[in-house]
This record gives sequence, C-alpha cells and structure tokens, in this order.
Amino acid sequence: DSGVTQTPKHLITATGQRVTLRCSPRSGDLSVYWYQQSLDQGLQFLIQYYNGEERAKGNILERFSAQQFPDLHSELNLSSLELGDSALYFCASSGRGGEADTQYFGPGTRLTVL
Amino acid sequence: DQQVKQNSPSLSVQEGRISILNCDYTNSMFDYFLWYKKYPAEGPTFLISISSIKDKNEDGRFTVFLNKSAKHLSLHIVPSQPGDSAVYFCAASTSGTYKYIFGTGTRLKVLA
Repeated sequence: DSGVTQTPKHLITATGQRVTLRCSPRSGDLSVYWYQQSLDQGLQFLIQYYNGEERAKGNILERFSAQQFPDLHSELNLSSLELGDSALYFCASSGRGGEADTQYFGPGTRLTVL
Repeated sequence: DQQVKQNSPSLSVQEGRISILNCDYTNSMFDYFLWYKKYPAEGPTFLISISSIKDKNEDGRFTVFLNKSAKHLSLHIVPSQPGDSAVYFCAASTSGTYKYIFGTGTRLKVLA
C-alpha cells in the first residue's frame, strides 16, 4: 500500500459526459501528479501540482483540467469524453516534487467510455 | 515522438538467471532516470534511479547502468525470482522541468 488513494476504482460512462477523479496523496506529501495509461501505452504525464499550485504540464488535453485543494487532495476533471479517453488514470504523490523525489502511485482509476 | 523507448515488449527468464531490461532515450537533456515495477491491478512502484553524473547504481539484486553516449540504460536483476514477474517501466526527466517521460514498459516473466 503506497498510501495514495484514488476514487473511484472503476468508472463507466458515455461519450460526451464529464467525470471527476479524486486523489488523496500520502500524508505529508505536497506534490501530486496525474498520469494516463492507455492500452499498450506507457504512462503519459498529464500535470503536476505542488502545494496547491500547478507546477508542470504534460500532454493534457484542453478538455481535461485538474486542481489541488488546500487539504492537498487533487481532482482530475475530464469533460466531453471520447472513446479514446478510456484508460487507466494514475495519481502519484511525492514530498517536494523534485526530479529526485520518489513518486508513490495510487492503484489507479479505470475509466471506460462507451 | 517517443523520447523514451523500451523496444522489447516482453522478456522471459529462468529463475536464478540474470534479467536485463533495456531502455533507449533520444533527449540528451535528460539527466535523471528511474525504473518502476508494476504488478497487475496496482500502481507502479519505484525500484531504482540513477543520475546522469553516474554510470551505475546498485541496490541489492537490482543494478541500473547508464551509457550517456549511447543514450541507453539497462536494468539488471540478479538473480531473477518469480516475484519479479511484472511490467517494468523506465522513465527520464530533465532537472527543473518536473516532468517524467515514461517508456511503454517491458513485461518480465520469470519462470520457476
């Protein structure tokens, strides 16, 4: 158990809908990362937050947005969903968010868009 | 553009033998590299890392080698154990970018 929790575990929805994925980091960690893993693909970095502020952005679509709240939990919002958005979405946390920081991953949320 | 490549989708090794997983990268600005292991239905877990100022880092049965001129790194597992069967991802980062670029993974199967 990494100490990072993600809810829900599974989510099935229809095209055009909007969903919110939630992540609670390890106790004491200030940084949260979001990744997408599509079928047979590696982990695609989406976005990083540090202590409530956006720090780095990767290949995140404009239809996706995220935020980190004062209690340090984070939410990833996916809107106007398309079939291609079906994937595993991982959240990770680390202490300070530097490159040398170990990232601890949650178990992921599997999103299926029908 | 895949900046980090793991060209072997799968690898099978006998228990007790050496497992060698390879990773190539194209961006010469990468200066920090990591390996993660992932079991089914779980998130990736950190295994070992190496900074570009080193060419080798060892942690128990796991050793990572970095060849900067070839833009290549490898993970050696000796001896391999059935519990090592998992998907292994390599990742790379550039200082100050706060981003990691992951490869597509190599599925290792250690046969008992």
